[in-house]
Parts: sequence; C-alpha cells; structure tokens
Amino acid sequence: DQQVKQNSPSLSVQEGRISILNCDYTNSMFDYFLWYKKYPAEGPTFLISISSIKDKNEDGRFTVFLNKSAKHLSLHIVPSQPGDSAVYFCAASAQGNKLVFGAGTILRVKS
Amino acid sequence: ETGVTQTPRHLVMGMTNKKSLKCEQHLGHNAMYWYKQSAKKPLELMFVYNFKEQTENNSVPSRFSPECPNSSHLFLHLHTLQPEDSALYLCASSQDPLESYNEQFFGPGTRLTVL
Repeated sequence: DQQVKQNSPSLSVQEGRISILNCDYTNSMFDYFLWYKKYPAEGPTFLISISSIKDKNEDGRFTVFLNKSAKHLSLHIVPSQPGDSAVYFCAASAQGNKLVFGAGTILRVKS
Repeated sequence: ETGVTQTPRHLVMGMTNKKSLKCEQHLGHNAMYWYKQSAKKPLELMFVYNFKEQTENNSVPSRFSPECPNSSHLFLHLHTLQPEDSALYLCASSQDPLESYNEQFFGPGTRLTVL
C-alpha cells in the first residue's frame, strides 16, 4: 500500500504558465515533506521542503503548499521554463531519516 | 569529485555472476542509503547505514549484500540475481541520521540489467 501517491503520471504546461504538481499521503505521522527533481541519467536532486508546522514554503519560482487536514501537498512552479522539464518526486518522513517516495510525475514544459 | 558518486554507471550481468556497486560521498555526511527504482514505481528504500552501522534492511533478499567500511563509502554486493532485479540503483547520503529534517543527496545511479 503506497503511503505517498502522485496520481498524475505526467503533466504538460506551456512555457511561462504555472505548473502544479500534486501529492497525497496517508500516514498522519509524516512531519516533513520534500520535492525532488530528476533529469534523465542523473540522480534526484533536492528542490524544496516543508515541515508539518507550516502550510507554505517559497523559494524563488517554487512554492510548496501543505494541507494537513486533506493530507495533500502541491508544488507550484511559476513561471514554468523548458529547463524545468523533468520527473518530480514527492517524499515524506515521519520523525526519522527514512524517506517514503511517490512514483513521480513527468513534467514537460513546452516552449 | 564532489557530491555523491556511483560506479559503474551501467552494468549488465548474468544470473550466475557476482558484482559490486560502489558509492562514495564527499559531503562529510554520516548516513548513507541504497534505493532501488524500477520503471514507473516509487523509489524503494533498501538499506540505511547510520555512522557505519546498518539500521534498516527493508526486507531485501539476501542476494543483495551491503557493506559500509566507513562513513564515506557504501557497497552493494550482488550475486545470483534475477531478471526482475534489473533497475536503477541509487545511493544517497544525509548529514545527520538522528535529524529528520535533512534532505538526502543522491548519486547518479547504476543502471543494472540482469540477463
């Protein structure tokens, strides 16, 4: 049973528009959430994180929103750029260093 | 070298072969991890080493044998693998194994094909 789910396998967005990637989780003990980006032939790279005491964290063009009551988080990228095209993984941890990952969403930004 | 490196990047092996994957981190971290990524599946945590001690074995078959000689190096020894073990094997490290608010830094992975 997957504790972290990314229900959209892929997303296509026009350059300059907003990209919204979604993630749902089932374990209410998760207290730290991360987004990773992965290009082909490279390992995942850390993008942005949020702890459960916050509902929003912003870093440049990237903002992560956390809705604890809905057990849902989202990553907003605005404006989207062609270089943002990659696979995006959502991950969560529950008071430890063990991360649980979602299956990933492929983002394609069209120019 | 910087970050987390993995060798080899690609490996093809038969089911009777023995091979090893190597990971090295140049970040001064104290925790290291092995993950398996199969096509269209989430990354699966295999093993966790904190301060060179194995703290997690996520029900991994014994044909996968990890080794952590020091906090900078991590190996995954492979023997008598099955074709379904073909996947991308990723190594990662993080600063403080006792702190959950630590991002993990990943290597580029080894693409393994078992014939």
